[in-house]
Amino acid sequence: DTAVSQTPKYLVTQMGNDKSIKCEQNLGHDTMYWYKQDSKKFLKIMFSYNNKELIINETVPNRFSPKSPDKAHLNLHINSLELGDSAVYFCASSQPRDADNEQFFGPGTRLTVL
Amino acid sequence: AQSVTQLDSQVPVFEEAPVELRCNYSSSVSVYLFWYVQYPNQGLQLLLKYLSGSTLVKGINGFEAEFNKSQTSFHLRKPSVHISDTAEYFCAVKRKGAQKLVFGQGTRLTINP
Repeated sequence: DTAVSQTPKYLVTQMGNDKSIKCEQNLGHDTMYWYKQDSKKFLKIMFSYNNKELIINETVPNRFSPKSPDKAHLNLHINSLELGDSAVYFCASSQPRDADNEQFFGPGTRLTVL
Repeated sequence: AQSVTQLDSQVPVFEEAPVELRCNYSSSVSVYLFWYVQYPNQGLQLLLKYLSGSTLVKGINGFEAEFNKSQTSFHLRKPSVHISDTAEYFCAVKRKGAQKLVFGQGTRLTINP
């Protein structure tokens, strides 16, 4: 009964490859997010979708493309992977109708680009 | 825009000692404040949050935080820490009505026996 799940947990790949990370939430939330945590543990938002619609798109290279097939899923596709893409990627979800819009996080996907 | 500064990147303490992790924020509008904990190789878990009302907020695992509007601070405290509290702690701020959560740089809390 995991609330926010991500696959895979670990991803090791070569530079130049294309890869995807999947996220699913079973909390019935309308909004989902992708965050990147760099090697210094700094967390920064990348994207946010509300009901399958993009609402936050921070300054992220266009090699990163989020896709939300339905409001319970938000996938992240990365083209032409670079060394600097190595990080832990966290998915999160929240319910905007809640006053504080508390975000619930997945366990993270550790991406290593060689 | 909002920003968060966690003044200490690392805090080592002995088991059963008290601890305070400092957080200051900057915002020109009303905000909600959060503390999250990240245990090794895990995702983030909410410890506590300040929305409104009483400035002293109690969270899980014996943690509490005090909102100080004049000093724009939201420091996290625990009177007696345990080895299991070893983790990375993140302070975060969100503008009321907004979706975007802005995180501080994190504070690594290390508990020594």
